Amino acid sequence: QVQLVESGGGLVKPGGSLRLSCAASGFTFSDYFMTWIRQAPGKGLEWISSITSRGRSIYYADSVKGRFTISRDNARNSLYLQLTSLRGDDTAVYYCARAAGYSSDWPSGYWGQGTLVTVSS
Amino acid sequence: DIQMTQSPSTLSASVGDRVTITCRARQNIVSSLAWYQQKPGKAPKLLIYKASNLESGVPLRFSGSGSGTDFTLTISSLQPDDLATYYCQQYASFPRTFGQGTKVEI
Repeated sequence: QVQLVESGGGLVKPGGSLRLSCAASGFTFSDYFMTWIRQAPGKGLEWISSITSRGRSIYYADSVKGRFTISRDNARNSLYLQLTSLRGDDTAVYYCARAAGYSSDWPSGYWGQGTLVTVSS
Repeated sequence: DIQMTQSPSTLSASVGDRVTITCRARQNIVSSLAWYQQKPGKAPKLLIYKASNLESGVPLRFSGSGSGTDFTLTISSLQPDDLATYYCQQYASFPRTFGQGTKVEI
């Protein structure tokens, strides 16, 4: 079955950096469009970045553009999110998600359990 | 950016009630609309895609309708397990925006 397991979250100081990972299994990772979505404590969902199956096209929310970098390693079945210049409002649970279908014209059909990033001094 | 507006923000209903949540897009997204259910402490779960298509395994009491800018999620007979927050999301264009959520209380 499809499994997505995020890791790499933790406590980081403002201005700091962190790298999140998402290990995928149970499907052919290289076939799917992948996405990072976050949720601040007690708040709604915020889409932050997506990447096509071969990494040729990448998309970012304005709130993270220039600070966060999405990438993938299809050989390792892994998705990554490099977070830099972190701010307090980046505090959130970060979810990785797989598209429900093969193309980018699908919503996120499978989600990991999330990893918490806390930005605080 | 395509702003998504859900209503109501909170909904109180009884078991067996028919429940309707609406989602409005600021511009035409045709049918590129998904609905998610999020239970407390859990990751969101896809319920509906392409506005009206039920994801596999989702109970038949859930249904979606609409196209263009106005969409609806309906729970035909509310069950205790439906206690959750529901989000709409457009995936017609980037950035892929979510509605603010509707909390369903029983």
